[in-house]
Amino acid sequence: EAQVTQNPRYLITVTGKKLTVTCSQNMNHEYMSWYRQDPGLGLRQIYYSMNVEVTDKGDVPEGYKVSRKEKRNFPLILESPSPNQTSLYFCASNPVRGRTDTQYFGPGTRLTVL
Amino acid sequence: AQSVTQLDSQVPVFEEAPVELRCNYSSSVSVYLFWYVQYPNQGLQLLLKYLSGSTLVKGINGFEAEFNKSQTSFHLRKPSVHISDTAEYFCAVSLQVSTSYGKLTFGQGTILTVHP
Repeated sequence: EAQVTQNPRYLITVTGKKLTVTCSQNMNHEYMSWYRQDPGLGLRQIYYSMNVEVTDKGDVPEGYKVSRKEKRNFPLILESPSPNQTSLYFCASNPVRGRTDTQYFGPGTRLTVL
Repeated sequence: AQSVTQLDSQVPVFEEAPVELRCNYSSSVSVYLFWYVQYPNQGLQLLLKYLSGSTLVKGINGFEAEFNKSQTSFHLRKPSVHISDTAEYFCAVSLQVSTSYGKLTFGQGTILTVHP
């Protein structure tokens, strides 16, 4: 089954404690991205990657890092989380050739930073 | 840069009544248009999308949307809603250029609440 998986699904942490949210897709997609969802703001792109070792900032990159060492994985790293990063996070993927019109979303990770 | 505005943050409606959720967009290039739904405590589900062709697009669960290029709108409609349609709805666009790689720009969301 084609899917995007994220772990963990729920996470409560404290300010300053480094954390990583993993994302993996099994569709051999080149393009992967992270979005955060906040009430009244919709979803906004944090970072994206066009292929292995190719990443770039989205619209709200401050406080986040990413890496793309393998095509299937695109972890989101918060080196020093702060309360304003409390949010619902979605990973997404799609191919860069052919049908780029639909992104496949993961189930979401709800993060609370105390 | 492109932007999406959902004109209503909350829409309350009674069961079996019709509903319209409004979405306007701004872009200097042609766009693809999408509506997503998020049920309480769940992820995103694609309702429908407009890529080209007929401006009236039918989606899942009885929803449809009409693309109006002159008004840069993509309003979502359903003739008769059910309690189970209670959810948050997001309008989104992506640019029809190869370098966008499918990046989505979302509206702020509209919470549809269906009352018995």
